[in-house]
Amino acid sequence: AQRVTQPEKLLSVFKGAPVELKCNYSYSGSPELFWYVQYSRQRLQLLLRHISRESIKGFTADLNKGETSFHLKKPFAQEEDSAMYYCALYSGGYQKVTFGTGTKLQVIP
Amino acid sequence: KAGVTQTPRYLIKTRGQQVTLSCSPISGHRSVSWYQQTPGQGLQFLFEYFSETQRNKGNFPGRFSGRQFSNSRSEMNVSTLELGDSALYLCASSVSGGQDTQYFGPGTRLTVL
Repeated sequence: AQRVTQPEKLLSVFKGAPVELKCNYSYSGSPELFWYVQYSRQRLQLLLRHISRESIKGFTADLNKGETSFHLKKPFAQEEDSAMYYCALYSGGYQKVTFGTGTKLQVIP
Repeated sequence: KAGVTQTPRYLIKTRGQQVTLSCSPISGHRSVSWYQQTPGQGLQFLFEYFSETQRNKGNFPGRFSGRQFSNSRSEMNVSTLELGDSALYLCASSVSGGQDTQYFGPGTRLTVL
């Protein structure tokens, strides 16, 4: 079975500090990983996906197959980054997307 | 391009009743997935429909069912409502499902009294 674990329910950082939102997964096949974000009073939306290897809004995430992790990072947090972040795994074998329980990022001015 | 729409936005029901939620995907999207979102559990996958067929199903009881129409619009039905069914129900559409980017609707907030 596939599983996505986001160990932190809440992460508080000061503006300008580095951010790392943790995501670990378990899946025996080749995973496709995503980060989705939900800003206050907005819809859940895709932030980035590992196959694109993009930096979106200053965020990056690297897939580490050895550690089965896909942590989301940003060197300098901004107040507008405050949101709920979900890590998600697409497992081709099961043909479904599994979401983690989410981490609320709070950037303190 | 219009986004995913869900109706109604809010619902209040009592235990034992049934409810039907509707989702209209983005034009051209053939896959519709449904999720239950709660503060403690996050997003839990209910099921996915593609071309009017249920392609996958999560671990929810049979009281939760759905269907998809030829225009890709989807409905979700919950029968014999329980207090624990209170949640935000999200629908997401994508072109073909799988690893395609999912576009989420605003959700339907269901409260069971």
